[in-house]
Amino acid sequence: SAVISQKPSRDICQRGTSLTIQCQVDSQVTMMFWYRQQPGQSLTLIATANQGSEATYESGFVIDKFPISRPNLTFSTLTVSNMSPEDSSIYLCSVDRQGAGYGYTFGSGTRLTVV
Amino acid sequence: QKEVEQDPGPLSVPEGAIVSLNCTYSNSAFQYFMWYRQYSRKGPELLMYTYSSGNKEDGRFTAQVDKSSKYISLFIRDSQPSDSATYLCASHTGGFKTIFGAGTRLFVKA
Repeated sequence: SAVISQKPSRDICQRGTSLTIQCQVDSQVTMMFWYRQQPGQSLTLIATANQGSEATYESGFVIDKFPISRPNLTFSTLTVSNMSPEDSSIYLCSVDRQGAGYGYTFGSGTRLTVV
Repeated sequence: QKEVEQDPGPLSVPEGAIVSLNCTYSNSAFQYFMWYRQYSRKGPELLMYTYSSGNKEDGRFTAQVDKSSKYISLFIRDSQPSDSATYLCASHTGGFKTIFGAGTRLFVKA
């Protein structure tokens, strides 16, 4: 299965600033997924990123707050913009293991603290 | 009501015990069921993947799905301290929108 490198692994940021998280996959994949994992809560899908098209955002997430880039089939970035303490969370990128939703491979996550 | 519910634990067992982890779900259209294991400061890793009802075994792990009661289980035999992690159940209908449970923290004591 694919290997995903995600960085940074953690960061502490001031409110009002932005952080860009990078996700590199060792093979070409059509779709990449960005999740948020808040303490004690389930993984929540932020958006799905296809190469060459705009990302598709889930209800409650908007492009102005979480802009996503997908310049090629092995790389994606998620930016958390104008951060507030409520954005403190773990952010994870993932790819589909075999296609057709047969489970995901996840990156190791970015632990974000906003102060 | 959440679509996938899971007891957060923590669940603490002695080494060698049989562990039973459970989830319930509400969407009768779910067809695919997964268990992920997540170690501290790591991303989730896929443990088991099953389609529809029935059992699936992989080494010390057995996944069980009962669609009539909307109940998902993961059994771990001969549990080891290295099994200490958070276990997430997940389901989807066949598309890419996977719904995750919040996870159960498991501690296996040596």
